[in-house]
Amino acid sequence: KAGVTQTPRYLIKTRGQQVTLSCSPISGHRSVSWYQQTPGQGLQFLFEYFSETQRNKGNFPGRFSGRQFSNSRSEMNVSTLELGDSALYLCASSPGTGGYEQYFGPGTRLTVT
Amino acid sequence: QQQVKQSPQSLIVQKGGISIINCAYENTAFDYFPWYQQFPGKGPALLIAIRPDVSEKKEGRFTISFNKSAKQFSLHIMDSQPGDSATYFCAANPMTTDSWGKFQFGAGTQVVVTP
Repeated sequence: KAGVTQTPRYLIKTRGQQVTLSCSPISGHRSVSWYQQTPGQGLQFLFEYFSETQRNKGNFPGRFSGRQFSNSRSEMNVSTLELGDSALYLCASSPGTGGYEQYFGPGTRLTVT
Repeated sequence: QQQVKQSPQSLIVQKGGISIINCAYENTAFDYFPWYQQFPGKGPALLIAIRPDVSEKKEGRFTISFNKSAKQFSLHIMDSQPGDSATYFCAANPMTTDSWGKFQFGAGTQVVVTP
């Protein structure tokens, strides 16, 4: 089975712009979670989607949003970018029901200048 | 506040030695405890995981020890190799519908295995 894929792998944006990141989960997996990873804060949960519905949300401002499509692919959007949004954004997929294992993609490195 | 506390922050071990990383938690609702390995520029890779109904799980050179009463679990890397040099994260989750996917991660341990 192919693993979790994320596009693009690298992004450079300017403060105030918005950005959309994409994630394709492992085939058959219905749950997609997003995390932000920074050296100072570590891995922090953003939100989780299952069957096109947001099931869980972390403590991030409303500038961070996401959605999931019927094929389980997910997108994450950050509006009005701030310098502090520079991070590695990781997507993880899991079966959603039954299996507990969560598998991460390679991440999208976002740099905000 | 960090719900899973991981130590040490870093460790150096000689090739062939044993690396031990510890994690402690407070939330007794946690029901699934995975360990991840991350190399620079890559996403975390699932190494091994345990549930509280067993005290130990071994996969190859990697072993998880779990102490439910102490609310602690640890990763042991036996016969450490230079290729094991990476950052290791512990994590936990109650695995209920309202927490699915919402893993709490430790701060990470950078392991360096010297030749």
